[in-house]
Amino acid sequence: AQSVSQHNHHVILSEAASLELGCNYSYGGTVNLFWYVQYPGQHLQLLLKYFSGDPLVKGIKGFEAEFIKSKFSFNLRKPSVQWSDTAEYFCAPLHQGGKLIFGQGTELSVKP
Amino acid sequence: DTGVSQNPRHKITKRGQNVTFRCDPISEHNRLYWYRQTLGQGPEFLTYFQNEAQLEKSRLLSDRFSAERPKGSFSTLEIQRTEQGDSAMYLCASSYLAASTDTQYFGPGTRLTVL
Repeated sequence: AQSVSQHNHHVILSEAASLELGCNYSYGGTVNLFWYVQYPGQHLQLLLKYFSGDPLVKGIKGFEAEFIKSKFSFNLRKPSVQWSDTAEYFCAPLHQGGKLIFGQGTELSVKP
Repeated sequence: DTGVSQNPRHKITKRGQNVTFRCDPISEHNRLYWYRQTLGQGPEFLTYFQNEAQLEKSRLLSDRFSAERPKGSFSTLEIQRTEQGDSAMYLCASSYLAASTDTQYFGPGTRLTVL
């Protein structure tokens, strides 16, 4: 069965620190990959997505992710986090049938 | 367009009661999904529709759960004889399937508490 693993459950950073959240998936077919973010008290929002082409994709608010097919990974990065990035982040491959398979999520806390 | 909407936002019910949730997708989106999220976990897929056809149901969706999308627009999710284990956030998402892209947009969710 398809699965996704997010390596860090809770990450605590200071403002201006660099961020990298790991995501590995198990799926050998055509891969469409997403990162969603859930800010406190808000609903899930799309951060960025990969369908094909350039494996380095850019999303909103300065986030980017790199698809490395050989490593089955889609790690999320941001060079310099802000307090407003405090949120929960979910990696989600799209199953061929159309459903998203979500990871457990990574809670990011940014200290001002 | 204000996005995906869900009603009610919160529902508290007693064990054994039936509950029904509604989801209104983004206009002209032909796909509608239901997910369930419990504390500390990512959302889990329940079922989805393309237009009015229910194309897939998760094994998580027991016989007590039923979903409909009668006219290919809004959808309802009903839980019969609720159990405490049904307490969760129920999320709805919609998308417009075109070519190879399928981006799902989520609603605010309905939080169910079963006492």
